[in-house]
Amino acid sequence: DTAVSQTPKYLVTQMGNDKSIKCEQNLGHDTMYWYKQDSKKFLKIMFSYNNKELIINETVPNRFSPKSPDKAHLNLHINSLELGDSAVYFCASSQYTTGPYEQYFGPGTRLTVT
Amino acid sequence: QKEVEQNSGPLSVPEGAIASLNCTYSDRGSQSFFWYRQYSGKSPELIMFIYSNGDKEDGRFTAQLNKASQYVSLLIRDSQPSDSATYLCAVNVGDGGGADGLTFGKGTHLIIQP
Repeated sequence: DTAVSQTPKYLVTQMGNDKSIKCEQNLGHDTMYWYKQDSKKFLKIMFSYNNKELIINETVPNRFSPKSPDKAHLNLHINSLELGDSAVYFCASSQYTTGPYEQYFGPGTRLTVT
Repeated sequence: QKEVEQNSGPLSVPEGAIASLNCTYSDRGSQSFFWYRQYSGKSPELIMFIYSNGDKEDGRFTAQLNKASQYVSLLIRDSQPSDSATYLCAVNVGDGGGADGLTFGKGTHLIIQP
């Protein structure tokens, strides 16, 4: 069983398009995250959600909008895609109520904007 | 500004030797510390976490934490070629709540020479 899954694995699209990435976790965790890993492999937090509530919203363009329909799912919608959005996007999850809050990552979605 | 610093490497270690990976962090309020391993094209995989000063051992891996020096390290004993990967140090800063994102270092590329 996959603990944290993401779809699609690869996403190639043109500038200006709108796309979504889906994430699901079956670990029973109540907190989920989106991270971006750029071409230099630097991994940076974008958003965190706890029980469907937005907790962290780092300096991310408002073209990026996370949506959490329930605590097992966290989707990322991106409007008006730009070349600079090309990266690998990782979803992660953790348990909020017990420490030390280790996070488990999904397989990643490689987004290429042409 | 939360910062986590790692030597990017590459760090080359002969097979069977001890690999020593180091990390420093800027925020004294940091609560929990994590080591992730990332193979090329794969997602970060949690190896160990530590939150108390001292050493923590798990199989061939030992994490060491010195909060006074704001320093955390990972030792890999009996290094194997399969240990060749990028090792990411990550810090959970804040009140220790699970919804905090992780701040990652840029990773150390480790090469184990057969």
